[in-house]
Amino acid sequence: DTGVSQDPRHKITKRGQNVTFRCDPISEHNRLYWYRQTLGQGPEFLTYFQNEAQLEKSRLLSDRFSAERPKGSFSTLEIQRTEQGDSAMYLCASSLATDEQYFGPGTRLTVT
Amino acid sequence: QKEVEQNSGPLSVPEGAIASLNCTYSDRGSQSFFWYRQYSGKSPELIMSIYSNGDKEDGRFTAQLNKASQYVSLLIRDSQPSDSATYLCAVNVLEFTGGGADGLTFGKGTHLIIQP
Repeated sequence: DTGVSQDPRHKITKRGQNVTFRCDPISEHNRLYWYRQTLGQGPEFLTYFQNEAQLEKSRLLSDRFSAERPKGSFSTLEIQRTEQGDSAMYLCASSLATDEQYFGPGTRLTVT
Repeated sequence: QKEVEQNSGPLSVPEGAIASLNCTYSDRGSQSFFWYRQYSGKSPELIMSIYSNGDKEDGRFTAQLNKASQYVSLLIRDSQPSDSATYLCAVNVLEFTGGGADGLTFGKGTHLIIQP
């Protein structure tokens, strides 16, 4: 049973560029979550999918952020017109019947 | 607004002693409680979940929940240098009628140092 995987692991981009991250959940996990973590803080919830339906979005998820999970398998998180304040670790987690969430290794985004 | 509070530390404990980590939460509707361990530069790793009042033991780890006091704790027995990490407390309020998990609310974490 492989864990949650995320790609890329690191991304450096210039302010104003668009970036897209991918998350592959643990196989058979129907729930997928995106979080953002900055230094010295706990992860902050961004959005949540059950199968392909996006069920919850945090107010942290501005209009520049969009997430998809077509076919209920992998998910993508896109940030448009990146800002320096978007620099963070973007974490993906998945869960099945219980609400125990398992995290992937994260994508570290640096906006210059 | 959901809030989870933890002492940021650092909490320094001698090797072999018991480390005690504490967490309080504000939302009385919280139903699920989790402890994650996070090493520097790595992602959080789930170590304990607890859903009902009382104690839950798993190896060297014991989670304690007191919903009346809105308090969750994690005890680590026989602390080892490899236990040195940041411990994150997380809570979940199940708001959707379909059940399942919503987004977790995390505390800022407690930095634990086990001194050899």
